[in-house]
Amino acid sequence: GQNIDQPTEMTATEGAIVQINCTYQTSGFNGLFWYQQHAGEAPTFLSYNVLDGLEEKGRFSSFLSRSKGYSYLLLKELQMKDSASYLCAVTDSNYQLIWGAGTKLIIKP
Amino acid sequence: GAVVSQHPSRVICKSGTSVKIECRSLDFQATTMFWYRQFPKQSLMLMATSNEGSKATYEQGVEKDKFLINHASLTLSTLTVTSAHPEDSSFYICSAPWGDRESSEQYFGPGTRLTVT
Repeated sequence: GQNIDQPTEMTATEGAIVQINCTYQTSGFNGLFWYQQHAGEAPTFLSYNVLDGLEEKGRFSSFLSRSKGYSYLLLKELQMKDSASYLCAVTDSNYQLIWGAGTKLIIKP
Repeated sequence: GAVVSQHPSRVICKSGTSVKIECRSLDFQATTMFWYRQFPKQSLMLMATSNEGSKATYEQGVEKDKFLINHASLTLSTLTVTSAHPEDSSFYICSAPWGDRESSEQYFGPGTRLTVT
């Protein structure tokens, strides 16, 4: 079957750095997405990785290793507004999006 | 960036009635749209793929006669929850891919909070 694993919940301190991991086992691979979702709102796009390596975009970076079926989202200089759920999603060989259950990130002052 | 709208944002209906939710792509055409349901503290669950000009594709376990999907134009898909029951109360979100197939970023509508009393 197809499966995406993320930690259920993480806690970090304002101003610090946090890494959210995502591992996947899917039928083929055509890209990995990270989305941010605040409570009661729809997800918003953060990043897309299809090749191995690190993609940096401001305070957020996303890393991919296809051979390991592994990605992480790195958030730097954490702000209180970063408290949200972070969803990892993989596009499989049929271009179907497979969603992880999301990681709830709690930022403490 | 691309914008997807949903209407209504919130709806309360009585058990047994039907509710229609609209999803529109405002500045791009979408031959495909996706409908998700999200229960509290859970991830998105894909319900169906809406295809312009043809029948929707439903995920396993989703009743196609209960959740009617119509994709009549390249910018509009509708989801009708028929004979709604309290267990249908959920957050319904639509999305549309924008860009080429290989890097189809999903643009999400703001969601519709359905409460069935």
